[in-house]
Amino acid sequence: AQKVTQAQTEISVVEKEDVTLDCVYETRDTTYYLFWYKQPPSGELVFLIRRNSFDEQNEISGRYSWNFQKSTSSFNFTITASQVVDSAVYFCALNVGNAGNMLTFGGGTRLMVKP
Amino acid sequence: ETGVTQTPRHLVMGMTNKKSLKCEQHLGHNAMYWYKQSAKKPLELMFVYNFKEQTENNSVPSRFSPECPNSSHLFLHLHTLQPEDSALYLCASSQEGRAVNEQFFGPGTRLTVL
Repeated sequence: AQKVTQAQTEISVVEKEDVTLDCVYETRDTTYYLFWYKQPPSGELVFLIRRNSFDEQNEISGRYSWNFQKSTSSFNFTITASQVVDSAVYFCALNVGNAGNMLTFGGGTRLMVKP
Repeated sequence: ETGVTQTPRHLVMGMTNKKSLKCEQHLGHNAMYWYKQSAKKPLELMFVYNFKEQTENNSVPSRFSPECPNSSHLFLHLHTLQPEDSALYLCASSQEGRAVNEQFFGPGTRLTVL
């Protein structure tokens, strides 16, 4: 069975601080995909990134960066110079190769960025 | 309209009512999903449709009945719900093929069962 753990339920930072959201996953499959989604107060989940298990390169997109470490089964997400608009719930999710297109979500981390 | 739309955005119903949630995707995708998001649990996948065929039913009670008349539309028919069914119901779509692709979500329907 697969599992995603986001140990931080809530994080509060002041604007312009850097913040890292942790994601630890469990699977016995060697082929899998990892995702991050953002859920602002409006409700819809916004796709941020997809990473497959064979690509361990870290990725940077503007103020966002992702650190994929297979050795520790982690896929952490860092926001640099946080802004108030980054306030949202962030979800990490896992798809394993033999599960079709089903996603297993973590419990989410609520990020509050204060001005 | 672009992306994934859901109607209604808010719904209040009694336990004896029958209502339906509607989802429409304008992305040309071939797979659609229903998720339930409640305060105390992580996002739960309810149903998956691939090419209009239901491929997953994640042990959902029969008081929830999905319908997928075509690849762009997905319904969730509700009847004799319980107060614990109050939640945000999210619809999503994706283009599935050899690789697993990201799912695109609608804004959700906030359901309250009295």
